[in-house]
Amino acid sequence: GAGVSQSPRYKVAKRGQDVALRCDPISGHVSLFWYQQALGQGPEFLTYFQNEAQLDKSGLPSDRFFAERPEGSVSTLKIQRTQQEDSAVYLCASSINHLNTEAFFGQGTRLTVV
Amino acid sequence: AQKVTQAQTEISVVEKEDVTLDCVYETRDTTYYLFWYKQPPSGELVFLIRRNSFDEQNEISGRYSWNFQKSTSSFNFTITASQVVDSAVYFCALSDLNQAGTALIFGKGTTLSVSS
Repeated sequence: GAGVSQSPRYKVAKRGQDVALRCDPISGHVSLFWYQQALGQGPEFLTYFQNEAQLDKSGLPSDRFFAERPEGSVSTLKIQRTQQEDSAVYLCASSINHLNTEAFFGQGTRLTVV
Repeated sequence: AQKVTQAQTEISVVEKEDVTLDCVYETRDTTYYLFWYKQPPSGELVFLIRRNSFDEQNEISGRYSWNFQKSTSSFNFTITASQVVDSAVYFCALSDLNQAGTALIFGKGTTLSVSS
């Protein structure tokens, strides 16, 4: 597709369940970011990949959060043992190179933990 | 530390009114980017503009205009003759100019409602 694609669009998880959120960036884009957006807030940085290398994971809120991008394209954000405070929209963004040029965002995955 | 403040939480206007969304930022960097994004109800963030810290020239794109003032650390966004389709949440953001992979620092957003 032409844009950043995220799946699923909506996910309801029971507390304690593990979830996996997928991001398909724009083909050829080197940089990939994950952000977390709580209700009524701006997006907050979680982690950054340059190709397959995870260069910054300083925003991951706990060791229950794990992200990977094994072949430098598709990325997965995994949350283990979900808790209610994990409820948010998870946004993925990609950009064409490693510099801070325009980032294209996906529509996000809305995670609700019940 | 970097910070972006959007003091206006919600703004309501009637179609054809002009509206200005305020953005004030804090950074110790001398080189940085400023951005505006639009988030419609569908959820994706739509890029509107990027300015670098060296370029204080104001910009106009159709009904949109941006006023960057380094002296007051502000990057305000004006929509002229607003339309219902402009209804969305608007985010101002900041990032380092030169460091690879630097994340965007977003404000909390301003919800704009334009009624007909």
